[in-house]
Amino acid sequence: GENVGLHLPTLSVQEGDNSIINCAYSNSASDYFIWYKQESGKGPQFIIDIRSNMDKRQGQRVTVLLNKTVKHLSLQIAATQPGDSAVYFCAENYGGATNKLIFGTGTLLAVQP
Amino acid sequence: NAGVMQNPRHLVRRRGQEARLRCSPMKGHSHVYWYRQLPEEGLKFMVYLQKENIIDESGMPKERFSAEFPKEGPSILRIQQVVRGDSAAYFCASSAGTQGTEAFFGQGTRLTVV
Repeated sequence: GENVGLHLPTLSVQEGDNSIINCAYSNSASDYFIWYKQESGKGPQFIIDIRSNMDKRQGQRVTVLLNKTVKHLSLQIAATQPGDSAVYFCAENYGGATNKLIFGTGTLLAVQP
Repeated sequence: NAGVMQNPRHLVRRRGQEARLRCSPMKGHSHVYWYRQLPEEGLKFMVYLQKENIIDESGMPKERFSAEFPKEGPSILRIQQVVRGDSAAYFCASSAGTQGTEAFFGQGTRLTVV
């Protein structure tokens, strides 16, 4: 079935610390994954993506890790800033003809100054 | 290059009325996805459309909901005879459609049924 879940619904960190947000996905055939950030009252904003032929991808201050063996994704944010406070969603792309993104329930990241 | 445009941003309807939500994809994108989000929840897939075609509507309720993406003009999500349970944020995303390409989201339409 369609199920992408997150282990931690809320994550509170101190400004300057590193944050790690985890995600479990259910479809072993999914071949593309995206992390989105959603601020209150706004639409999801693309952060970083990773294809299934990779296990790590780095962006600016963010890193995504993919472990296909246990169907696990994580998003690492370095030197977390107050502006990083938002809900973070992982999404898996089922691929094939449907090409739809399936989202998890989200993790609220709260950055304490 | 404007992003995904959704209108209206806020929509209030009385029970039994119709709601029409519009989505204009990013320039050059021919694939549109609609999602529904309840407060404090994730985005639930509803429907995936290409120009003039519905590709996947597995997330659409069987009754009262319909979607289209005509050759010209925006994609429309239509909810007939709205009920209070339809109150939610409805997001549209667009992509170039190639498998494994990122989808960009609009700012959503917040539907309130009173």
